[in-house]
Amino acid sequence: QKEVEQDPGPLSVPEGAIVSLNCTYSNSAFQYFMWYRQYSRKGPELLMYTYSSGNKEDGRFTAQVDKSSKYISLFIRDSQPSDSATYLCAMSEETSGSRLTFGEGTQLTVNP
Amino acid sequence: NAGVTQTPKFRILKIGQSMTLQCAQDMNHNYMYWYRQDPGMGLKLIYYSVGAGITDKGEVPNGYNVSRSTTEDFPLRLELAAPSQTSVYFCASSYFGGRNYGYTFGSGTRLTVV
Repeated sequence: QKEVEQDPGPLSVPEGAIVSLNCTYSNSAFQYFMWYRQYSRKGPELLMYTYSSGNKEDGRFTAQVDKSSKYISLFIRDSQPSDSATYLCAMSEETSGSRLTFGEGTQLTVNP
Repeated sequence: NAGVTQTPKFRILKIGQSMTLQCAQDMNHNYMYWYRQDPGMGLKLIYYSVGAGITDKGEVPNGYNVSRSTTEDFPLRLELAAPSQTSVYFCASSYFGGRNYGYTFGSGTRLTVV
């Protein structure tokens, strides 16, 4: 079983839709949770970062962590064509030096 | 501030040839990583380094070698290229494993082996 499972997609939505991207994980030691956005033919870039459980909001983006269910989500409100990209979840343990474990990514297309 | 710089951006190799993918960072990050990304397969860790002179294998190290003689540079060497090494290669760097600030990625090297 993979440590991190991500909804594979691809996902295609109309402009203005609310998008939900999800990952589940099996390692209860994960404490740091991140979402990366990767545009076509570019490297991933850090989009959102949260520590432990709870919600974090940044403009149209909300990251949600539910450690009891080992489930994290990224919500995009009022989605735009410029949000079309692959989204990767990533997580890390508390231990100093712990590497990030990535999900396989969900490709999102927002249609005008 | 350039971040993580990868060269070349594109390369076509013939089977059996060798090459070095270059990676340099100017953020004084101690950790550096090499990933490969195949379509629909996510990021697979090839090698990583926790500091100058220290390297270790990731998930898919076969066919590759690395060295880390300075904090800034982390080249990836492909010996005897094979078609299975056709992929997009990303270099990344971080502070102390990335738990606090995540990774900074380069823009990638697209390699085709024919």
